[in-house]
Amino acid sequence: NAGVMQNPRHLVRRRGQEARLRCSPMKGHSHVYWYRQLPEEGLKFMVYLQKENIIDESGMPKERFSAEFPKEGPSILRIQQVVRGDSAAYFCASSADSLYEQYFGPGTRLTVT
Amino acid sequence: GDSVTQMEGPVTLSEEAFLTINCTYTATGYPSLFWYVQYPGEGLQLLLKATKADDKGSNKGFEATYRKETTSFHLEKGSVQVSDSAVYFCALISNFGNEKLTFGTGTRLTIIP
Repeated sequence: NAGVMQNPRHLVRRRGQEARLRCSPMKGHSHVYWYRQLPEEGLKFMVYLQKENIIDESGMPKERFSAEFPKEGPSILRIQQVVRGDSAAYFCASSADSLYEQYFGPGTRLTVT
Repeated sequence: GDSVTQMEGPVTLSEEAFLTINCTYTATGYPSLFWYVQYPGEGLQLLLKATKADDKGSNKGFEATYRKETTSFHLEKGSVQVSDSAVYFCALISNFGNEKLTFGTGTRLTIIP
């Protein structure tokens, strides 16, 4: 049973470009969470999605960031017009239900130049 | 709001030494508590968990006891190995229908032979 897959593992974008991060949950998991880890900080919750629904986006910046989890295909975290402060590791986690055990992917390390 | 405070690193120990990484929390209600481990270049893996007061989580020789009176969940291991070198994160989920993990800043542990 494959784990949570994220791609790309490393992404370099120039300021003003768009970044698109993908997350494929574990087989059978319908709950997806995105977290961001800034340098020298812990992980911070961004958004929680179920298939075709955003359940909680209280950690998402109000502008430039969006997330989706379509009926088919991976979850996508999209960052428009990236700035240097967006440079971070972005982790996706999935669970079979909302009862606590989240399995993490290896992360996407975004560098904005 | 919920928060987790954990011992700052980095921590360097010799092989077979005793390990303690302190973790305290602030949360409404009765959260579930977790320790995650992140090996270099990988995502987070759940190490152990406890869901109610006085529960002891254990795995791979690591233990942590949920202490409601001191709001603590310290991680311990009696004899560390070089392979335990990693970053350790303490985390919680509030049980008021809130599925997001709140993390501490992480403690980098290095074990020298």
